[in-house]
Amino acid sequence: EPEVTQTPSHQVTQMGQEVILRCVPISNHLYFYWYRQILGQKVEFLVSFYNNEISEKSEIFDDQFSVERPDGSNFTLKIRSTKLEDSAMYFCASSDLAGQETQYFGPGTRLLVL
Amino acid sequence: GQNIDQPTEMTATEGAIVQINCTYQTSGFNGLFWYQQHAGEAPTFLSYNVLDGLEEKGRFSSFLSRSKGYSYLLLKELQMKDSASYLCAVRDSNYQLIWGAGTKLIIKP
Repeated sequence: EPEVTQTPSHQVTQMGQEVILRCVPISNHLYFYWYRQILGQKVEFLVSFYNNEISEKSEIFDDQFSVERPDGSNFTLKIRSTKLEDSAMYFCASSDLAGQETQYFGPGTRLLVL
Repeated sequence: GQNIDQPTEMTATEGAIVQINCTYQTSGFNGLFWYQQHAGEAPTFLSYNVLDGLEEKGRFSSFLSRSKGYSYLLLKELQMKDSASYLCAVRDSNYQLIWGAGTKLIIKP
């Protein structure tokens, strides 16, 4: 069964550094998403991406964040100048049709900013 | 503002039935999802409701009333592996998923 994959599974970084989280969505999916979940808190929407551009973004997704689809398979989330409060689990998800299909989640990247 | 409410924690007995409720107030409605999340893992899809009524999928069923802004997830024949958090999420008018905080379900033998 096709699945969303994410790398790395864990990332430790120093405050102020840049990190890139990588995702490979399910191959025939067209919509891609990033979410984050701070430990013990609810899942929070960051951004959705379709047709090589951002379709929606939340208030969390400020200039510190950017997304890219550098090739036909990868979907990346870049976090610049990381802060302690960026420590969270970051989930990538993909879906076939935004209106009908559910979103399938990757296993997540646990980011720890020290 | 947008709000999704579900109980923080519930306890049930192996083999029994449990109903997890979710109420929502969102800007627009384009479907309600239930996800299961084991600790430290990604959410996994359980069910999707966009029309009123009951959707049944094996041991799991989900109900929606749009006029009441209400849904429930019904789990039958509970197994120990069903111990997890159950997340209610609503897709709003911008097709963004708005998430509840989740209900931690504890199954006792």
